[in-house]
Parts: sequence; structure tokens; C-alpha cells
Amino acid sequence: ILNVEQSPQSLHVQEGDSTNFTCSFPSSNFYALHWYRWETAKSPEALFVMTLNGDEKKKGRISATLNTKEGYSYLYIKGSQPEDSATYLCASSSGNTGKLIFGQGTTLQVKP
Amino acid sequence: EPEVTQTPSHQVTQMGQEVILRCVPISNHLYFYWYRQILGQKVEFLVSFYNNEISEKSEIFDDQFSVERPDGSNFTLKIRSTKLEDSAMYFCASRGDTSGNTIYFGEGSWLTVV
Repeated sequence: ILNVEQSPQSLHVQEGDSTNFTCSFPSSNFYALHWYRWETAKSPEALFVMTLNGDEKKKGRISATLNTKEGYSYLYIKGSQPEDSATYLCASSSGNTGKLIFGQGTTLQVKP
Repeated sequence: EPEVTQTPSHQVTQMGQEVILRCVPISNHLYFYWYRQILGQKVEFLVSFYNNEISEKSEIFDDQFSVERPDGSNFTLKIRSTKLEDSAMYFCASRGDTSGNTIYFGEGSWLTVV
């Protein structure tokens, strides 16, 4: 059984601060790691899907890295803005079936 | 941008009643999913559906649950006899062959069983 954990559970930063969160997952039978951004009353927005060890992806001010050997991924936000306030979910899959195992999420609050 | 749409956004039902949650996946997607999140808990997988049949289901997805793709656009989740513990946000998701591994989620349907 996969167990995906995220830390911290919540984070409060000032506008302009850079921040990062961690997602840890079992490295055995790993297939892909997904990051989502989820705002209240909206659908979770897909940010990244990563499969290869050492993968780094970037979307604007948000980037992510992947270490499949040790089972962790970092999500970085550079120069946080109030609109970055959301819950960030990571999810791991062990095959190409679409069965995702989610972490509990990191809730980010960016104060202006 | 194409999106997954779900109805209703919120439903309150009496314990023991049947509930059908509806989803319109992204057009031309081939893989369909239901997930749920009980308040305060992690999002958890319920079922995946491909080629008009269930391809995988979790232990949560017991005989009270069923899924159907009655036409070319809708994908439904039915709960036959709801229990209090079925209260949760239910998410529909879809994936296409050409979208890589990205799975797209709907906004969710809040189900409250009283």
C-alpha cells in the first residue's frame, strides 16, 4: 500500500517570499508523481506530472523536482503572490492506470 | 480550455436513499475516474473505468457503488443506499491517450447524507 505524505500541513508567508513544500512517497513500484493546485470551490488544477528521477519542471514561478530513488519531490514557489494561496496536493501512482494515491496537502496562505 | 464538469455541486440526501452523481469528462478522453474526499481526510481513489468497464476499484467501492457511461458523454456514479459515512466530496476525473499522464479533475460534488 502506497503512503504519500506532505509537509508542512500549512504555511503562512508574506507576499514576495519564496517557499517550498515536500512530498514523500514510497520509491518502490513508482510510476509517476503528480502535483495539483486546489483552490476552494474550484477543480484541482494539474501543475506537473513527473516520471523520471532527477526530473525538474517549471511553470511560471512554480517549479518541482523529483527524486525517485529516495522517494521525494519538492515544489518551489518563487516570489509568492496572494493568488498563490491554495492547497497543493501531490499524488503518486505505481502504474499507468490513473490510480493516484494522494498526500494530505499543504495549504499555503500568502499575505499581501 | 476543456474541462470536466460535474452535477450537482451539492446534494443533501436521507440515509438509505439512492444518489446519482453525474460527470461529463473531457471530450475524446478515454479513461474515467471517481475519487472522494471525506472532510479532513486525504483524497482517495474509488474506481477507474476504461473501454466501458471497470479497470480497477478500491475496497471502498463495494456493492453499494456502481458506475456507468450511459452515452458518449456522461459518466455517472450511483450509490444505491447511502450511509452517513458516504458524506464526502466526490470528484470525477478523466485522462486521454494524448494527454500524457495528466489526469484532469472536475470541481466535485458535495454529498451530505443525513
